[in-house]
Amino acid sequence: NAGVTQTPKFQVLKTGQSMTLQCAQDMNHEYMSWYRQDPGMGLRLIHYSVGAGITDQGEVPNGYNVSRSTTEDFPLRLLSAAPSQTSVYFCASSTVVRANEAFFGQGTRLTVV
Amino acid sequence: AQSVTQLGSHVSVSEGALVLLRCNYSSSVPPYLFWYVQYPNQGLQLLLKYTSAATLVKGINGFEAEFKKSETSFHLTKPSAHMSDAAEYFCAVSHYGGSQGNLIFGKGTKLSVKP
Repeated sequence: NAGVTQTPKFQVLKTGQSMTLQCAQDMNHEYMSWYRQDPGMGLRLIHYSVGAGITDQGEVPNGYNVSRSTTEDFPLRLLSAAPSQTSVYFCASSTVVRANEAFFGQGTRLTVV
Repeated sequence: AQSVTQLGSHVSVSEGALVLLRCNYSSSVPPYLFWYVQYPNQGLQLLLKYTSAATLVKGINGFEAEFKKSETSFHLTKPSAHMSDAAEYFCAVSHYGGSQGNLIFGKGTKLSVKP
């Protein structure tokens, strides 16, 4: 049972480049979400999904895109990377059956230069 | 809208002393409440959660938290700190279903433990 798997663990991008952070879960959870973590800011919700084919914006969605074609996968796309997107990104999955307890991936440390 | 306030971005205690990390929430309906711990360069691990059953919730590693509706609080305690407790702790709130099923996090409290 792998839980939530995020790739890559580390990434350096140049300003203007695009990339996709991958996230997969094997727990059949209906919720999946992406957070970014910045010092002193806690975790802030970027985008989330309540099921396949359904996505919505969180607190800080600008510059990011998501899609959810299957229950298992929830990739996060950076359209044109900016230094302000330097952060640690976490993917999480959860289910109302477990009172929304979130299971997190190990994170992706992204640096935009 | 729901929100979480963690009082104190840094807390320092001596080994063997009481740990008290404060969390207050704002919610118009009964919430689910969580404490997560993050060790350096790692992901987040659930310590404990409140889901409207017992108001005193026991978690892993000797931590516990008490839900106090009148004070809108969910403070985390541990009777005796250990060096291995040094980490960052996050309080979070959510509700049942829909867009409110997401977790909203506080800004975190970094716990240091002195020998």
